[in-house]
Amino acid sequence: EADIYQTPRYLVIGTGKKITLECSQTMGHDKMYWYQQDPGMELHLIHYSYGVNSTEKGDLSSESTVSRIRTEHFPLTLESARPSHTSQYLCASRDSNEQYFGPGTRLTVT
Amino acid sequence: KNQVEQSPQSLIILEGKNCTLQCNYTVSPFSNLRWYKQDTGRGPVSLTIMTFSENTKSNGRYTATLDADTKQSSLHITASQLSDSASYICVVSDRGSTLGRLYFGRGTQLTVWP
Repeated sequence: EADIYQTPRYLVIGTGKKITLECSQTMGHDKMYWYQQDPGMELHLIHYSYGVNSTEKGDLSSESTVSRIRTEHFPLTLESARPSHTSQYLCASRDSNEQYFGPGTRLTVT
Repeated sequence: KNQVEQSPQSLIILEGKNCTLQCNYTVSPFSNLRWYKQDTGRGPVSLTIMTFSENTKSNGRYTATLDADTKQSSLHITASQLSDSASYICVVSDRGSTLGRLYFGRGTQLTVWP
């Protein structure tokens, strides 16, 4: 099983709040990713990172931001949550052969 | 446009029965194709990965096939178990970038009934 962790697993929060979704991996992977997934839909890449101090936006426009200060840590932040941000957020990291996913954070914004 | 299409969208089978899930893709250039299993509320877990030269790959009761000429893949599940209930996602990687971009299908939701 992959050593990639996400917290919290579930979050219900009110509109306008600032939130940070945590993602960490202990495999030493340089490449990390954030995906957004709605029920019955495909995963959409919203952010990725080649390594420390490297972050890029993905295919799906997102109001979230990310940072990569340490190799093992890739947090995602929403400055002001809105109901449209309600979704599942999956973090992943990759080596040369495989991509490993975290368990996900189910975010509900009321 | 690079796409990955999966069918059926959902499937219900009885425990012990076999089933086959389909994946068609238009991704080019092609690097590899993966099948993932995603349990409800969890992240996807890799089942198989196949490159251009591989036609079939097995992982226990899961057998994936790949026809790179017709750009089709299938995942066959033998003697299904209740724990097989999950979404099965087909993912195709291209060679067009250093990251090997991944294209995701929407998944087939499999339900196994006792």
